[in-house]
Amino acid sequence: DAGVIQSPRHEVTEMGQEVTLRCKPISGHDYLFWYRQTMMRGLELLIYFNNNVPIDDSGMPEDRFSAKMPNASFSTLKIQPSEPRDSAVYFCASSPVSYEQYFGPGTRLTVT
Amino acid sequence: DQQVKQNSPSLSVQEGRISILNCDYTNSMFDYFLWYKKYPAEGPTFLISISSIKDKNEDGRFTVFLNKSAKHLSLHIVPSQPGDSAVYFCAASGGNGNKLVFGAGTILRVKS
Repeated sequence: DAGVIQSPRHEVTEMGQEVTLRCKPISGHDYLFWYRQTMMRGLELLIYFNNNVPIDDSGMPEDRFSAKMPNASFSTLKIQPSEPRDSAVYFCASSPVSYEQYFGPGTRLTVT
Repeated sequence: DQQVKQNSPSLSVQEGRISILNCDYTNSMFDYFLWYKKYPAEGPTFLISISSIKDKNEDGRFTVFLNKSAKHLSLHIVPSQPGDSAVYFCAASGGNGNKLVFGAGTILRVKS
């Protein structure tokens, strides 16, 4: 079992550029979550999907952020345009029908 | 509005002693609580959980205690080992599907 896979592991981009983060959940997991971790706010839930359908996107900070899950094995989180305050570690997690979530290794995003 | 609070940003403990990490919550709808451990450059990993129908759950060196009247839970690690040095996140869920609300985390350092 490969676990949750995220790519890239590190991303450095300039302000105004589009950034796309990718996630492959654990096979068979019905839930997929996107989180952002910062020193100030800890782990924040951005959005989560159930069976590929977005259920709660109330944590998405602005319209610059969007997430898709075109199929059960792939999800993207896009930021367009990116800003320096978006710099953080972004985690993807997946879950079967339970509360225990399995996290990927994260993508460290730096926007200069 | 932080619904889950970990008021101690860090904790330092001698190897072999007990580590006690604390967590407070405000939402009385929460009915399931989890602790996650996170090493640098890795995603959080599930450690232990407790349902609101219990007041204690034990797994090896790790015990979680829940005081519903005080809206407080704690994680005890006995005996503490240097490999326990990590960031510990408290999380809570209830009445909203599989969505978890995380605390800001506590950095535990176990000195040998």
